[in-house]
Amino acid sequence: QQPVQSPQAVILREGEDAVINCSSSKALYSVHWYRQKHGEAPVFLMILLKGGEQKGHEKISASFNEKKQQSSLYLTASQLSYSGTYFCGTEREAQGAQKLVFGQGTRLTINP
Amino acid sequence: GAGVSQSPRYKVAKRGQDVALRCDPISGHVSLFWYQQALGQGPEFLTYFQNEAQLDKSGLPSDRFFAERPEGSVSTLKIQRTQQEDSAVYLCASSVQGADGYTFGSGTRLTVV
Repeated sequence: QQPVQSPQAVILREGEDAVINCSSSKALYSVHWYRQKHGEAPVFLMILLKGGEQKGHEKISASFNEKKQQSSLYLTASQLSYSGTYFCGTEREAQGAQKLVFGQGTRLTINP
Repeated sequence: GAGVSQSPRYKVAKRGQDVALRCDPISGHVSLFWYQQALGQGPEFLTYFQNEAQLDKSGLPSDRFFAERPEGSVSTLKIQRTQQEDSAVYLCASSVQGADGYTFGSGTRLTVV
């Protein structure tokens, strides 16, 4: 029941916008977003809870469509530092523990 | 400490050797998770602790994998009789209980030769 991320990879020029999607076939309680740079630990960006809440973090924001079990991560006016692989992690309802199931990742490359 | 600390950073093991990977979570973080990450893939869940209790070990691939957190802080992931397919980065993460994100350690890259 791994969530599916799209696209698998995207290449942008600095200043362009990107959207990364995460879909699940199961009912979700929450969606987490992380960014991982090569050889480093994944870094937490934000969490969205059941309720369709949209959150923002600098120029990075996300939404969670509870009905569709989908989340989208929006990166606006991208900066070179945004390069990396983005993972969504989903927590299913009635699962009790906070175990996250991660998608396969979306590799984002920002060129000058 | 300021973050999640894992050691060793790199480990090369001969096939059949036993290894022990250590995770020192952020002080006060109740939840501790172990994940396995293959090259180019997302982290895959191995096991979860709440304090010293191992609440979920459904992701451990075989009975060669064993994890413990005896005092509710430091955790050790042990792999017995390592096989080549065990080669991966092993990530530890901790969080405060509740709707919080994980803080990941830098991982241990295990290579079985």
